[in-house]
This record gives sequence, structure tokens and C-alpha cells, in this order.
Amino acid sequence: AQSVAQPEDQVNVAEGNPLTVKCTYSVSGNPYLFWYVQYPNRGLQFLLKYITGDNLVKGSYGFEAEFNKSQTSFHLKKPSALVSDSALYFCAVRDGGGNNRLAFGKGNQVVVIP
Amino acid sequence: ETGVTQSPTHLIKTRGQQVTLRCSSQSGHNTVSWYQQALGQGPQFIFQYYREEENGRGNFPPRFSGLQFPNYSSELNVNALELDDSALYLCASSLDSVTEAFFGQGTRLTVV
Repeated sequence: AQSVAQPEDQVNVAEGNPLTVKCTYSVSGNPYLFWYVQYPNRGLQFLLKYITGDNLVKGSYGFEAEFNKSQTSFHLKKPSALVSDSALYFCAVRDGGGNNRLAFGKGNQVVVIP
Repeated sequence: ETGVTQSPTHLIKTRGQQVTLRCSSQSGHNTVSWYQQALGQGPQFIFQYYREEENGRGNFPPRFSGLQFPNYSSELNVNALELDDSALYLCASSLDSVTEAFFGQGTRLTVV
């Protein structure tokens, strides 16, 4: 079964500094990887995905993520964090072999300090 | 905002009761998945429907059941509610199994 690990509970970063949220995954087949963001009392909002192709994926709101097959990682990055980026971030993986379920990590709370 | 809508947004039920949650998928999406998100946790997969048929189920007991209608909207039914069923229930729709899923705003269920 596929799984995701997000090792840090909370990431604190000063406004304007680079933001990184870590994610490692485990899956039996080729991974389909996703990042979502959740604001308080809201559903999940899609940020970006990796299916195949370039290891560096660009998404919404200036976010990007780098797929690293050898390290089974898919870290989310943003060059310059904004206060409005403060939210809960989830990494998710789907087994590309036909298993349709998304397995989510526990989430990382990002706090951007003005 | 996505085109996925869920109703109601909040619900309070008593232990032992039954509840039905509803979801309208984004236009053109024939696949609907349901997730349970307990407080402080990531979403957990309940089941998925594809063209009105169940297409995968997570580790949830049979008292969690669902339906998908010809217009691809969906219902989640939970019988014999337990206190631990208190959570945010999220519906997500997608074009297929490869593309990203778009989530609704969720239904906050509180069981007392």
C-alpha cells in the first residue's frame, strides 16, 4: 500500500525567505504525486502534481516541487514566502498501477512570520 | 473555488443515528471519492465511485456506504454513528484516475 511521510509538524519561516516542506513516499508502482493546501475550515486546494516528465514541477501561487526518485522524495518549495502562505500543506501519492486512492501525509503547518 | 459542492456544511448528530452527506461533482467529472479527515490528521480514503459503481474502498466498516447517481453526484451514508465518526468529510471529483482530484469544502460532522 502506498504511504507518505511528512516529517515536520510545523515549518516556521520569515516572510521573504525560501520555504521548503518535505515529503517522502512509498509506493509499489510508478508514483503519482500531489501537493494540496488547506486553509482553516476549508477543503483541500490543489497546488501541483508530478505524473511523469521533468523532475521539477511548477504549480499555483509560485510553488514548485522536485521529484527525486532515488530519495523517494517530493519536496514542496517556494523561493519567497508570503504571510498568506500560512496554511496546512498535504503531500499525497497515488499508485500509478491503477489503485485510485490518494494516500495523504499527516500535513505540515506552515507559519510565515511577518 | 472548485466546482465541487457539499451539503450540509455542518451537522450535529447523536450516537446511534444515521447521516447522509451529499456531493455535487465538478462538471464533466465522472469519478467521486470520499475522505474522512479527523482533527489534526490527513484525509483517509473511504471509497471511490466511477460511473455509479464502487471502484475501491479504504479500511472503513460496512456501515459507511455510498451511492453515485447518473449525473455523477454522490452520497455518503453512515449508519449507527459513533463518537469517533466526528470529522470533516471531504468529497473529491476527478476526470479519471490519473488527473488531480478537486475537493469540496467539506462537511463537518459532530457526533454527541
